[in-house]
Amino acid sequence: GIQVEQSPPDLILQEGANSTLRCNFSDSVNNLQWFHQNPWGQLINLFYIPSGTKQNGRLSATTVATERYSLLYISSSQTTDSGVYFCAVGGGGFKTIFGAGTRLFVKA
Amino acid sequence: DGGITQSPKYLFRKEGQNVTLSCEQNLNHDAMYWYRQDPGQGLRLIYYSQIVNDFQKGDIAEGYSVSREKKESFPLTVTSAQKNPTAFYLCASNEGSSTDTQYFGPGTRLTVL
Repeated sequence: GIQVEQSPPDLILQEGANSTLRCNFSDSVNNLQWFHQNPWGQLINLFYIPSGTKQNGRLSATTVATERYSLLYISSSQTTDSGVYFCAVGGGGFKTIFGAGTRLFVKA
Repeated sequence: DGGITQSPKYLFRKEGQNVTLSCEQNLNHDAMYWYRQDPGQGLRLIYYSQIVNDFQKGDIAEGYSVSREKKESFPLTVTSAQKNPTAFYLCASNEGSSTDTQYFGPGTRLTVL
């Protein structure tokens, strides 16, 4: 099956810093989502981005499907950005495969 | 307010007991999903349902059972056959296409005593 690898596994930032999170996947996918899991466990959709580039405020994402990777950019990080960021892909059918996540801590 | 609700938020179970986790959605979504998350790990698919009265096993279905008698409800039973049930359980739904965004409930944290 499709493998999803996220890097880095852990990231500590000073408030105001920028960061890039990466998601590599091993095969062609028909969908790709980025989620943020807050400290209480709730998963929030950030982007649905099987290809191309999208922006939402301080967050943006780019997926290069032909090269099998996606990037999530966080600019001017805030303490509320802390949590775990997951990349999830679907390769067909209804199964979605999640990466192990990037754990982000933003220091005040 | 449209969304997905899960109950209870916390659940404690003695070994050998079956427990049922509730998941309800009012988004009129056709597809619903159950995931398990262990500490420091990603999500793994337990079961999914594309339509009422139909469901399919995911990657880790052993020791779990589900039903889908109503479009808005997809309860998960953790049976005594599940060897290591302590985990965080998340329910999700979407419109039913594999290309649709999934929306998640707040989760149930199950602890076996």
